[in-house]
Amino acid sequence: QLQLQESGPGLVKPSETLSLTCSLSGGSISSTHYFWGWIRQPPGKGLEWIGSIYYSGSASYNPSLRTRVTISVDTSKNHFSLRLNSVTTADTAVYYCARLRVGALFDDWGQGTLVTVSS
Amino acid sequence: SYVLTQAPSVSVTPGKTATFTCGGNNIGSKSVHWYQQKPGQAPVLVIYYDGDRPSGIPERFSGSNSGNTATLTISRVEVGDEADYYCQVWDSSSDSPVFGGGTKLTVL
Repeated sequence: QLQLQESGPGLVKPSETLSLTCSLSGGSISSTHYFWGWIRQPPGKGLEWIGSIYYSGSASYNPSLRTRVTISVDTSKNHFSLRLNSVTTADTAVYYCARLRVGALFDDWGQGTLVTVSS
Repeated sequence: SYVLTQAPSVSVTPGKTATFTCGGNNIGSKSVHWYQQKPGQAPVLVIYYDGDRPSGIPERFSGSNSGNTATLTISRVEVGDEADYYCQVWDSSSDSPVFGGGTKLTVL
């Protein structure tokens, strides 16, 4: 049974960098059938895809965030990571990592982690 | 970019049928997936590829897709079905996933 777990600071100051890691257990990040994605949800709002990455390191990003986002993968540690630069209060959200079937759907999600941007 | 439109809210009494719509330009040509999100929890896939159910999802959940509208139907609604429901497709033109804005189900 695959499990995904987000980790990282729950509080980030404006203009700084948000960094999160998603660790996998019960499955391999090197599977050829899946991408690995980040999705966020501001309080009281809907879901927004941030970006996704394949185990090879090939990544794609939401155009609205592309200039500030980097997603990376570490197959030796079986985890992938998110960096979001120059954050503002608008980046306050619950951040989820999830498994993405190639070209399709998110079939497994982490529990999510709340990141608050505040001075 | 591709846009999915969902009604903000749906209300139903227990035992009745709840219907959620997801509108998009020629959405019938795409595969639609539906997620249930209960308060404080991560989304859970309840319907994939228009009408398939993952293991563990009750048969009360069903889906269809045609023309410009995809539909999620919950029959014999229970209080425990109260949640937000999101539709999602893959936008091939941008090679990225797209979510609808979500519909909140209230069970009266």
